Amino acid sequence: QQQVKQSPQSLIVQKGGISIINCAYENTAFDYFPWYQQFPGKGPALLIAIRPDVSEKKEGRFTISFNKSAKQFSLHIMDSQPGDSATYFCAASKNGGSQGNLIFGKGTKLSVKP
Amino acid sequence: KAGVTQTPRYLIKTRGQQVTLSCSPISGHRSVSWYQQTPGQGLQFLFEYFSETQRNKGNFPGRFSGRQFSNSRSEMNVSTLELGDSALYLCASSLTLAGGNEQFFGPGTRLTVL
Repeated sequence: QQQVKQSPQSLIVQKGGISIINCAYENTAFDYFPWYQQFPGKGPALLIAIRPDVSEKKEGRFTISFNKSAKQFSLHIMDSQPGDSATYFCAASKNGGSQGNLIFGKGTKLSVKP
Repeated sequence: KAGVTQTPRYLIKTRGQQVTLSCSPISGHRSVSWYQQTPGQGLQFLFEYFSETQRNKGNFPGRFSGRQFSNSRSEMNVSTLELGDSALYLCASSLTLAGGNEQFFGPGTRLTVL
């Protein structure tokens, strides 16, 4: 059972365009939703995260939109640059307790064309 | 502050052997989680250690084990290696229990089983 579904699998965007990656989750107990960026040969790097008490969070060119009723959240990358070309993972976890591991989506490979 | 470090970065083993991977968390972080990353299954949670105790465990066979030392450094062990164990093994550290908190990943150990 895939608890976090991510789409699309791959995405090609022109430089300067907006990249949008979507995720949907099933478990309403999730209350922490991070996005990670991974370059080839590297570990995932925390990009931005949101908790369900807000509907949007922005950090520089990166914005998370969160829809609690639809159990969906998305990452928007404004003014996409070739250096943003990487694989992006959404994730979810439950706060505290003994089952707080991250559940990851399958990833989206983003290519930004110059 | 130094990031999460993992050693070794690359390993080649043969079927039936065992392997030990090491992870040093960010200074001051007390939780270490381990994940396996493969092209087919994506990022999957192995286990989390906090205060030298395993707090959470993923759905992996008993051949996968780990431990944490008093300085928060952690090791994971895989016994009787199988071809399917070939993967990138990532550890992530967080200040306290992982659930709902920022987790920072190391660069990973690339294990190849021949």
